[in-house]
Amino acid sequence: ELKVEQNPLFLSMQEGKNYTIYCNYSTTSDRLYWYRQDPGKSLESLFVLLSNGAVKQEGRLMASLDTKARLSTLHITAAVHDLSATYFCAVAPLVSGGSNYKLTFGKGTLLTVNP
Amino acid sequence: DTGVSQDPRHKITKRGQNVTFRCDPISEHNRLYWYRQTLGQGPEFLTYFQNEAQLEKSRLLSDRFSAERPKGSFSTLEIQRTEQGDSAMYLCASRSINLVGNTEAFFGQGTRLTVV
Repeated sequence: ELKVEQNPLFLSMQEGKNYTIYCNYSTTSDRLYWYRQDPGKSLESLFVLLSNGAVKQEGRLMASLDTKARLSTLHITAAVHDLSATYFCAVAPLVSGGSNYKLTFGKGTLLTVNP
Repeated sequence: DTGVSQDPRHKITKRGQNVTFRCDPISEHNRLYWYRQTLGQGPEFLTYFQNEAQLEKSRLLSDRFSAERPKGSFSTLEIQRTEQGDSAMYLCASRSINLVGNTEAFFGQGTRLTVV
């Protein structure tokens, strides 16, 4: 059974600081996703990482994937209040043909950015 | 609005009642997924369809749950004899699978169910 672990689960940081959220998963996978969720809202896709060594950046967020270590990171640079949300990583199992989207999500990291 | 649409957005029901939720995927997306999210947790996979065929069901989907996608377009998720443990956000997502390559899934706003 595929397991996905995120840490930390809660993160309180000051504006302007940097921090990293970690996502470990237990079995071989060929794709990893990062989502953002605001309270009471649905999931907003942030990044899709499809290969070992993949790195993607959007604004103050940068995601990377190390498939050998089964680890992805979401790095936050110079945080601002607008980044406050819950961040989920999700992993799709390695399936022949690669078309599965049966995602296993981590528990999420609740990020609070304080002024 | 051309995104994934779910209805209703909120549902409060008494224990033991039946409820049905609807999901309208993005037009021409042939895959549709249902997930359940409880408070403080990540979404959990329930089931998915390719066109009208239900291809996989999670063990979370007890016999009180049934999902359909009769014409390969919208889908319904029905819960019979609801229990308090069914209280959650039910999320629908859709994506297209084509010869060019896989596309990303898009999630709807969800239906929040409260069983009292």
